[in-house]
Amino acid sequence: AQSVTQPDIHITVSEGASLELRCNYSYGATPYLFWYVQSPGQGLQLLLKYFSGDTLVQGIKGFEAEFKRSQSSFNLRKPSVHWSDAAEYFCAVGDGSSNTGKLIFGQGTTLQVKP
Amino acid sequence: NAGVTQTPKFQVLKTGQSMTLQCAQDMNHNSMYWYRQDPGMGLRLIYYSASEGTTDKGEVPNGYNVSRLNKREFSLRLESAAPSQTSVYFCATGVMSGLTDTQYFGPGTRLTVL
Repeated sequence: AQSVTQPDIHITVSEGASLELRCNYSYGATPYLFWYVQSPGQGLQLLLKYFSGDTLVQGIKGFEAEFKRSQSSFNLRKPSVHWSDAAEYFCAVGDGSSNTGKLIFGQGTTLQVKP
Repeated sequence: NAGVTQTPKFQVLKTGQSMTLQCAQDMNHNSMYWYRQDPGMGLRLIYYSASEGTTDKGEVPNGYNVSRLNKREFSLRLESAAPSQTSVYFCATGVMSGLTDTQYFGPGTRLTVL
């Protein structure tokens, strides 16, 4: 069965520093991978997605993610974090085997940004 | 375009009461989903509807029922609320891309069951 692991429950970075959030997945075939962001009290917003092709994917708000098949990873990066990036981040994998469109979410990583 | 809307935003129930959470979309997407979010557990799928007229159970369907009223609306009903159903509930729509959906979420309903 597919699964998603976000090893870091909570991360704190200083404003202006670089950021990398880890995501590992378990999936037999080529995965469909997503990153979502949830600001406090809000719904989830799609940051970026990977389906195929170039393994480095650009998203909104200056985020990017790199798909590494050999490591079963899809880590999210940002070169310089802004205070407004403080939020919870979710990685998800699409259940492509069932053709139902369902997503499987990781447990989330909370990002705190220090001034 | 409102995207995905959910009502109510907040609700407090007593154990045993019933209620319906409403979700509506103007994105013309075929798929709709109901999730619950609990601390440390990410999002768990309750029910989903791949198209108008069809519904299927997700990971945690017990204690819930759904209705796909039409393409726009997908409601979630708690027949007899329990404290374990205290959670934040999210509705999402999905548009098929390849073999999976790209999903778009509503703002959520925060439910407390006393």
